[in-house]
Amino acid sequence: RKEVEQDPGPFNVPEGATVAFNCTYSNSASQSFFWYRQDCRKEPKLLMSVYSSGNEDGRFTAQLNRASQYISLLIRDSKLSDSATYLCVVKRVGTASKLTFGTGTRLQVTL
Amino acid sequence: NAGVTQTPKFQVLKTGQSMTLQCAQDMNHEYMSWYRQDPGMGLRLIHYSVGAGITDQGEVPNGYNVSRSTTEDFPLRLLSAAPSQTSVYFCASSYGSRTSNSPLHFGNGTRLTVT
Repeated sequence: RKEVEQDPGPFNVPEGATVAFNCTYSNSASQSFFWYRQDCRKEPKLLMSVYSSGNEDGRFTAQLNRASQYISLLIRDSKLSDSATYLCVVKRVGTASKLTFGTGTRLQVTL
Repeated sequence: NAGVTQTPKFQVLKTGQSMTLQCAQDMNHEYMSWYRQDPGMGLRLIHYSVGAGITDQGEVPNGYNVSRSTTEDFPLRLLSAAPSQTSVYFCASSYGSRTSNSPLHFGNGTRLTVT
C-alpha cells in the first residue's frame, strides 16, 4: 500500500462548482499535512497547510481526520484558473522534514 | 529574491555520461532536497541535507551523489546516466527541522532525457 494515496482523476467540473478531493495516508505517525498545487510542466507550490481543526483560505478549505487517516481539500466556486494537479503531502515525526507526496489529483474546470 | 534556482532547465545525455544538476537557494534554508517526478509515481526523494556538511539518502538514491559544502548550494551528480534516469528533477528547500512545519520551496525543475 502506498504511504499516501490520491484519486488521480481527472475531475472535470464546470466553473462555479464545488469540488472535493480526499487523500489517505497509511502511517499513523504522520505529523504534518499539506496541499500543494502543480500546474502542467511547472514546479509544485504550497497551496495550504492542513491543521487539526480544519482551516480555510478564501475558497479553499482543508480538513484533517486523524482517526480515519485522511485529509480533504474543498474548492468552492471553482475558477478556470483552479485547473491544476493537487498534491497531498505528508510528513512523519522525526523524518528531518522528509515529505511524502501523493501522485496528485488532476482538476479541470471548464466553461 | 531568486528563491531556489536550478540549472539547466533541459538536458539530454547519452547513456554512461555524467553530469551535475545545480541547485542554489538564497533564503538561508537549512534543509535542501532533490526529487524526481515520473508519470504515475509522484515526487520521490533522491537525497536530502539538513545542513552544510550533512547529507542523507532518500527513497531512490542509487545512481546519484550529492554534497553540501555550503548552506546555499546542493548539487546532484549523475555518475553514469541510464535511460531509467530520464525524469523531471526538482530541487527544494525549507527552514525545516525535525519539528518544523515549514513548507518546501521548489526550483523550476530540470527535464533530463537519457538516450
